[in-house]
Amino acid sequence: KNEVEQSPQNLTAQEGEFITINCSYSVGISALHWLQQHPGGGIVSLFMLSSGKKKHGRLIATINIQEKHSSLHITASHPRDSAVYICAAYNTDKLIFGTGTRLQVFP
Amino acid sequence: GAVVSQHPSRVICKSGTSVKIECRSLDFQATTMFWYRQFPKKSLMLMATSNEGSKATYEQGVEKDKFLINHASLTLSTLTVTSAHPEDSSFYICSPRITSETQYFGPGTRLLVL
Repeated sequence: KNEVEQSPQNLTAQEGEFITINCSYSVGISALHWLQQHPGGGIVSLFMLSSGKKKHGRLIATINIQEKHSSLHITASHPRDSAVYICAAYNTDKLIFGTGTRLQVFP
Repeated sequence: GAVVSQHPSRVICKSGTSVKIECRSLDFQATTMFWYRQFPKKSLMLMATSNEGSKATYEQGVEKDKFLINHASLTLSTLTVTSAHPEDSSFYICSPRITSETQYFGPGTRLLVL
């Protein structure tokens, strides 16, 4: 069992839909990253969380430290949101990556 | 946001040759650099951690003599794949760290060894 699990693995949506991607972890962490990887491979850091909730544009990330769970929400999804979303937890000074959620948003 | 560049972005080489990948942080300094590799549809796998001016620490199973890492300055780190073989074909990503929990990611280098 991976120390960082994501669900779902694959997700398709129609443009405009509200999307939720979940991340659960089984290790102690100091912070959690949400990353976006486009088909070309480049990775962008979307959020770094250690508690509560953060919002940036249409993206919202939440974390519940007690439940060891984080969610990434995308409101009013758009085809350009199509990418792989990866959660990564900081544990003992290193990032532990989830396996990613492949999102496709269709017009 | 912070800018990280990697060069080359993609490289094709013959088996047995060596390939050097450069990673530069363009607008900040990073004392720590992580190097990852990623296979298709798989997650990132940490290869090694390097601190400026000191030897890299390699993860278990990663051959230090095959994957040479040099972190000579706070803005440049290099990964050299020596005597490359087809199984070394992968996507290599550098990731400089600024603070204990703030990391940025390079755009990656796609290596294909024929």
